[in-house]
Amino acid sequence: DAGVTQSPTHLIKTRGQHVTLRCSPISGHKSVSWYQQVLGQGPQFIFQYYEKEERGRGNFPDRFSARQFPNYSSELNVNALLLGDSALYLCASRRGGSGGYTFGSGTRLTVV
Amino acid sequence: RKEVEQDPGPFNVPEGATVAFNCTYSNSASQSFFWYRQDCRKEPKLLMSVYSSGNEDGRFTAQLNRASQYISLLIRDSKLSDSATYLCVVNQENTGNQFYFGTGTSLTVIP
Repeated sequence: DAGVTQSPTHLIKTRGQHVTLRCSPISGHKSVSWYQQVLGQGPQFIFQYYEKEERGRGNFPDRFSARQFPNYSSELNVNALLLGDSALYLCASRRGGSGGYTFGSGTRLTVV
Repeated sequence: RKEVEQDPGPFNVPEGATVAFNCTYSNSASQSFFWYRQDCRKEPKLLMSVYSSGNEDGRFTAQLNRASQYISLLIRDSKLSDSATYLCVVNQENTGNQFYFGTGTSLTVIP
């Protein structure tokens, strides 16, 4: 079975631009979460979606938004990019509302 | 105060050694607990869940002390392949099901 897949794997954007990151969960997994990880830190929670509804939001500005589609895939959107948005963005999925998450290999975003 | 605190290390231990990592969490309402392993420039991978009764998986033993809000991971007979960053994770289902990660503890096993 395919694991959690994310695209693109790497991305370079300019300050002020917009970016869309994509995630396909493991087949049968209905819960998707997004995390931001900067070098030397643990992942920071951005959003959680379950059954296409937002179930949790971390302490990130409104420039960050996300959605989950009927096939349970998800997008993370970031507007008006700042240099500080440069990070590894991780998507994770799990079958239901409990248990550990399986992570994708991430999208490495560089804002210049 | 951070939700999850870990000693960042680094821990440098010889092969065959036993090493223990500790983690504390601030919210007593936290409901589930995990240890993840993250290799350099890779995604975190679930190592094991942590239960109040303690649990073991081969050379790895995890313990949870709810009264002290403390989680531990013990690795026996360290292998070179155990070199990684170990992340303590706490799930708070009453705050949007957030996973809170510690900053991670770096382990290097030396031949």
